[in-house]
Amino acid sequence: GENVEQHPSTLSVQEGDSAVIKCTYSDSASNYFPWYKQELGKGPQLIIDIRSNVGEKKDQRIAVTLNKTAKHFSLHITETQPEDSAVYFCAARSDSGYALNFGKGTSLLVTP
Amino acid sequence: GAVVSQHPSRVICKSGTSVKIECRSLDFQATTMFWYRQFPKQSLMLMATSNEGSKATYEQGVEKDKFLINHASLTLSTLTVTSAHPEDSSFYICSARVSTSGGREQYFGPGTRLTVT
Repeated sequence: GENVEQHPSTLSVQEGDSAVIKCTYSDSASNYFPWYKQELGKGPQLIIDIRSNVGEKKDQRIAVTLNKTAKHFSLHITETQPEDSAVYFCAARSDSGYALNFGKGTSLLVTP
Repeated sequence: GAVVSQHPSRVICKSGTSVKIECRSLDFQATTMFWYRQFPKQSLMLMATSNEGSKATYEQGVEKDKFLINHASLTLSTLTVTSAHPEDSSFYICSARVSTSGGREQYFGPGTRLTVT
């Protein structure tokens, strides 16, 4: 089955700096890669996703890059703000599978 | 759009009782819904996949007689924790997959905090 590895497990940055979270996956059939933000006591919120026919996608301060050959994808957050502090999860899924396979999460702390 | 609600948001029950958690897709239809369990500071663990009108598919190690799942309509799935024990205390989260052609997006509910005393 699919195995998604996520690094780092914790990340602390100063407000205004950039944050990068990286994930690797094992199943070459995976073709959908979403990123979720989870605040304490809440459910995960979809913040951006990318499909395998695209190498990069950007939405304001958030971007995701995908390298299918290397089987890795990354989340980039620029100009970080304290409200970006949360746990971020990457995930991967193939068309044949319904369920998302999640990474273990990255706890991001943005300090003022 | 793409809002998923859960009810209740938190529940406390006594050992041996059963608890039902509802998951609703408010503004879209979802032929497939998922139930996850999350322990503190850990990732989401898939418990089961629920398809409207058919039996749920449970992940290995999840007791289907203990965690009863019903997906009676395209907007509602329920999880019933039967004969709850303190070790069932956890954060339960549902998600729903958009049922459009080629749709892949999966949206999560806000979660239900279950405490069994």
